[in-house]
Amino acid sequence: SQTIHQWPATLVQPVGSPLSLECTVEGTSNPNLYWYRQAAGRGLQLLFYSVGIGQISSEVPQNLSASRPQDRQFILSSKKLLLSDSGFYLCAWSRDRGHYGYTFGSGTRLTVV
Amino acid sequence: GQNIDQPTEMTATEGAIVQINCTYQTSGFNGLFWYQQHAGEAPTFLSYNVLDGLEEKGRFSSFLSRSKGYSYLLLKELQMKDSASYLCAVKIKAAGNKLTFGGGTRVLVKP
Repeated sequence: SQTIHQWPATLVQPVGSPLSLECTVEGTSNPNLYWYRQAAGRGLQLLFYSVGIGQISSEVPQNLSASRPQDRQFILSSKKLLLSDSGFYLCAWSRDRGHYGYTFGSGTRLTVV
Repeated sequence: GQNIDQPTEMTATEGAIVQINCTYQTSGFNGLFWYQQHAGEAPTFLSYNVLDGLEEKGRFSSFLSRSKGYSYLLLKELQMKDSASYLCAVKIKAAGNKLTFGGGTRVLVKP
């Protein structure tokens, strides 16, 4: 069966510090991978998605970047965090073809102070 | 772009029925999903509709009308554990099978 791992679960970082959130998927190959952010009490905003190694699509201009160095690894990064980067970050995967939804990781709650 | 609307909050009584509506405007519609999200947790899959009609899964049912750009999620025999946010999401025919989410409906079940 497929599983998705996301870490860390919580993170408190000062403004201006770097960020690296990691997500890995097991039990499948060539998944579509996604990073979403959810502000408190709000819906999910798609930040990045990837359909293959090294292929990253950005949905909104921002202070963040993403990379996919391996087939089942997706990394969200920032060189200098802003207060507005605080939120609940969710990684998700889906199959490329067919009528499949997403399976989400457990999320990372980031607080920038 | 896509526009997905759902009510912000609903309150219902334990044992009752609640219907959460979702309207959407999108091009390249390729399916509608409902997710449940408890506070502080990741969303979990509830239902999927791609054709018009009703899909029933235990106490939860989801309906879709593609011509009206409308869906609803029906929760029956409400239990306290059903207190959560319910997210409507639309998939479009485009690279990456992206899902666009509505803002979510927070359902509070009272005893």
